[in-house]
Order: sequence, then structure tokens, then C-alpha cells
Amino acid sequence: ETGVTQSPTHLIKTRGQQVTLRCSSQSGHNTVSWYQQALGQGPQFIFQYYREEENGRGNFPPRFSGLQFPNYSSELNVNALELDDSALYLCASSSPGQGAYNEQFFGPGTRLTVL
Amino acid sequence: RKEVEQDPGPFNVPEGATVAFNCTYSNSASQSFFWYRQDCRKEPKLLMSVYSSGNEDGRFTAQLNRASQYISLLIRDSKLSDSATYLCVVIPNDYKLSFGAGTTVTVRA
Repeated sequence: ETGVTQSPTHLIKTRGQQVTLRCSSQSGHNTVSWYQQALGQGPQFIFQYYREEENGRGNFPPRFSGLQFPNYSSELNVNALELDDSALYLCASSSPGQGAYNEQFFGPGTRLTVL
Repeated sequence: RKEVEQDPGPFNVPEGATVAFNCTYSNSASQSFFWYRQDCRKEPKLLMSVYSSGNEDGRFTAQLNRASQYISLLIRDSKLSDSATYLCVVIPNDYKLSFGAGTTVTVRA
């Protein structure tokens, strides 16, 4: 079974730039969630995509946006980068409808540094 | 108030010791609770679910106290490989995992 993959693994940007992070979901999963994990903190929910539509959003500004493609892979886009955007960005895939809770499987993350 | 708060740790224990720590949550309507484990610079992985009646998985025991809105994790007979950050996770609604900041456990030889 193919696990969740993310690219790139590391990225360095400067303030004001834009970035696109990518995620391929685990085989058979149609839902992708994105999380931001700052150093020393737990992951914070950004948003979730289900069947190519946003299915819920956390407390993140509109400059955080996303897409999901027909093959269920996903992108996270961040515009006008700020220093505080420096974090590990985690993607998790799951497949709703199989029970009360559908385990979210996390990818290895993309570590973004904003200078 | 944060949705999920955890014992700050770190907990530094010898091999074979028992270590326990708690997590409190603010949303009384939360229905699902979990412990995830995160190794240094790695992704979180599900350790165990937490059921209302409490549950064990080998050396790990999880408890839920709905009245006081907290969950706990106890690790018996600690191994060096148990060294990690343990993340408390609460699902307040259908789609979102709310994570605590994590409790760091270091098991020393």
C-alpha cells in the first residue's frame, strides 16, 4: 500500500513570496487534511478537502488556500509569506465512511523556513 | 482557553519505570479521543484510541474522564523506544483533529 508522500521535504523562502506544497494521498483515500506545526507545538488544522471541495477550515487567513485534484492529491498554497509561517506542514489522508473515526495517516511533512 | 491542553513535561524516567500524564479538553461535546506519538522531526502516528471505559494496548493504558474533561496515558515498564512526544488529540466535530502541544517523554538507560 502506498503511503502519504509530500514534496518538497524542505523549502526556504523570503517574506512576501508565495509557496506551493504538494501531497499525494494514501492509496484508496479520498480526503486530505493539512496541518501546520510550529516548533514545540502540536499540529494546527488548516483545512480539509473531500472530493475536490473544501470540507472545513481552521483559523487561518485566506492567503492559505488549497486544491484537491481528481486523483485526490492536494496542494497547499500560501501567499504573502510571513516569518511566522515557518513551520512543518503536514498532510494527512483518510477515507470517510468506513466507521465513526477514520484514521488520518500523515505524510513526512514539508519544513518551510521563511527568512 | 485552548481546545486541548497537555502536561508540559518533559518527563525523564529510567527504563522500567511507569510514567503517566494528562490532557484536558474544552469542548464538552467532543466524542472521539486519541493519543498520537511523534518522534523527533517525524510525522505523528496513531498510538491508540481512548474509549469511555478506558482501554489498554500492551504497556499503554488510556483513560477518559468526561465529567472532568480529561484523558490520560500511562506507560508501564518504559522502554528506551518509548522516548517520543505524545500528542493528545480530540475530535470536536466531523473533520478536524485538535492536537495538544505534546508531552515529551525521555526514557534513560
